[in-house]
Amino acid sequence: AQSVTQLDSHVSVSEGTPVLLRCNYSSSYSPSLFWYVQHPNKGLQLLLKYTSAATLVKGINGFEAEFKKSETSFHLTKPSAHMSDAAEYFCVVTPYDKIIFGKGTRLHILP
Amino acid sequence: NAGVTQTPKFQVLKTGQSMTLQCAQDMNHEYMSWYRQDPGMGLRLIHYSVGAGITDQGEVPNGYNVSRSTTEDFPLRLLSAAPSQTSVYFCASSYSGSPNYEQYFGPGTRLTVT
Repeated sequence: AQSVTQLDSHVSVSEGTPVLLRCNYSSSYSPSLFWYVQHPNKGLQLLLKYTSAATLVKGINGFEAEFKKSETSFHLTKPSAHMSDAAEYFCVVTPYDKIIFGKGTRLHILP
Repeated sequence: NAGVTQTPKFQVLKTGQSMTLQCAQDMNHEYMSWYRQDPGMGLRLIHYSVGAGITDQGEVPNGYNVSRSTTEDFPLRLLSAAPSQTSVYFCASSYSGSPNYEQYFGPGTRLTVT
């Protein structure tokens, strides 16, 4: 069965420090993988997507993610957190014609 | 372009009432889907459609019906509302009949069932 697991429900970092949000997936074939962001009381916005072209994917607002097939991971990183990054982040896998969301990681930025 | 629109933004229902959540997109997208978002659960797929006239069930379809008579519209019907259906509902669409493209989300409908 296809699934996606976000390993942390909450992550807190200080402003200016690196961000790491972890995502593992389970799939019987090479899936498409996405990260979406949801700011408070807003809809979801695409951060980046992996579709087998390159293993290191760059997204908006300085975020990037690396696809590691051997580890079945697709972790999201950013070198330096900004207060505006405080939001909930969702890792998504798309097996066949369905979309499966992780449960989300809420990112808190400490001043 | 308006993108993906949802109406209403807020709704309160009594147990047993029925209603339809509206979703429309003006991007000529083939793929449309409905999700519910509950705290700590992420977004869960209710129903989806890969094109006009074609719908299928997602992860949590019970208590909901959909139809897709046009490319633009994908309404979600609650047949007999229950308190367990209190949630935020999002509609999304994407290019082509595949979910492997960016999903464009509507602003959401916050539903409370008392």
